[in-house]
Amino acid sequence: EAAVTQSPRSKVAVTGGKVTLSCHQTNNHDYMYWYRQDTGHGLRLIHYSYVADSTEKGDIPDGYKASRPSQENFSLILELASLSQTAVYFCASSVGQKDTQYFGPGTRLLVL
Amino acid sequence: GEQVEQLPSILRVQERSSASINCTYENSASNYFPWYKQEPGENPKLIIDIRSNMERKQIQGLIVLLDKKAKRFSLHITDTQPADSAMYFCAASSDTNTGKLTFGDGTVLTVKP
Repeated sequence: EAAVTQSPRSKVAVTGGKVTLSCHQTNNHDYMYWYRQDTGHGLRLIHYSYVADSTEKGDIPDGYKASRPSQENFSLILELASLSQTAVYFCASSVGQKDTQYFGPGTRLLVL
Repeated sequence: GEQVEQLPSILRVQERSSASINCTYENSASNYFPWYKQEPGENPKLIIDIRSNMERKQIQGLIVLLDKKAKRFSLHITDTQPADSAMYFCAASSDTNTGKLTFGDGTVLTVKP
């Protein structure tokens, strides 16, 4: 199965602080995604990328930046973390847009 | 964009019975509909998908139906087992939306022994 790893697996951050979530895939996939999942809800797309050095806004990009320095790595950056950004964040990768997305294990972020 | 509504949000069934989850979408251009299963504390995993050139797809005990006219698709799990207990998500994407997936809010399925 495709391998997507995330770090850290959990994090406690303070309001106003900077948070960086990292994602690494070894699948040679072009597409990578960042989603957030709130308790009891579905996944909402924050940012995605289909090529290194380029990122695209998803459905809820406000308050988040993304960086794709290489095909394997995709980071999500919260410059000024807020309480409302407490959630579980999932990274995923896929060969193409309409192909299976393989999800990482998730990062549980708590902003206090 | 796209909006996907998923019902029910909670579903409890007896072991060996069938379970059905329904999703509706708004964008008639949507043409790819995957279903993901997420177990507690785990990441979502694709279990079955269907594209708009099909009306029905089956993989073992999983059946997906697509009604493009009604903009509705559904997952049917036959002969459920306790191991099927999990959260299930439907999703939809269209080329006009750059292929981004829009997920439903999920269904928590509990299969009682």
